[in-house]
Amino acid sequence: EDQVTQSPEALRLQEGESSSLNCSYTVSGLRGLFWYRQDPGKGPEFLFTLYSAGEEKEKERLKATLTKKESFLHITAPKPEDSATYLCAVQASPGTASKLTFGTGTRLQVTL
Amino acid sequence: GAVVSQHPSWVICKSGTSVKIECRSLDFQATTMFWYRQFPKQSLMLMATSNEGSKATYEQGVEKDKFLINHASLTLSTLTVTSAHPEDSSFYICSARRGTNEKLFFGSGTQLSVL
Repeated sequence: EDQVTQSPEALRLQEGESSSLNCSYTVSGLRGLFWYRQDPGKGPEFLFTLYSAGEEKEKERLKATLTKKESFLHITAPKPEDSATYLCAVQASPGTASKLTFGTGTRLQVTL
Repeated sequence: GAVVSQHPSWVICKSGTSVKIECRSLDFQATTMFWYRQFPKQSLMLMATSNEGSKATYEQGVEKDKFLINHASLTLSTLTVTSAHPEDSSFYICSARRGTNEKLFFGSGTQLSVL
């Protein structure tokens, strides 16, 4: 069974204080690992897809990396508007549905 | 980017009534749509997968007679919560995918409160 574990559960940072969020996964065959951002009362907003170990992607203050067992979302010099829940999800090898399995997320709060 | 519209964004209903939630892909044809449920501070739990023109595939533990899914066209899927009860109160989110390996685009969610 595919499993995704995210840590920490919650993280509070001061503006400008860089940190990393972790996503550990167990999947029979990884087809893709996804990072989403979710604001309260909203649907998830796509950030990145990573497909193979060693791959990295960047967007503004965010950088996602991938190994064979985990992914990190690095946030550099965060701002209060980066406050949100960050969700990690894996898509297993193609099947009839190729559905995503989500972790429980990391709730990030960035304060002034 | 692709846009998925979900309606309504919130609904309050009496126990025993049925509620329909719509999910539309506005600028692409969605061969597959997914319906998720999310409780406060928890992750998204997949309820069912719907493919246009065929019956939905439900996840284990999800009552197909209670959560009716219709994917009548390539741009519209609906979820009907039948005979809703307070325990059905939750945040329901739909998502759509264009191909077999495309990222999912999510709707903005529907907060259902059953009194």
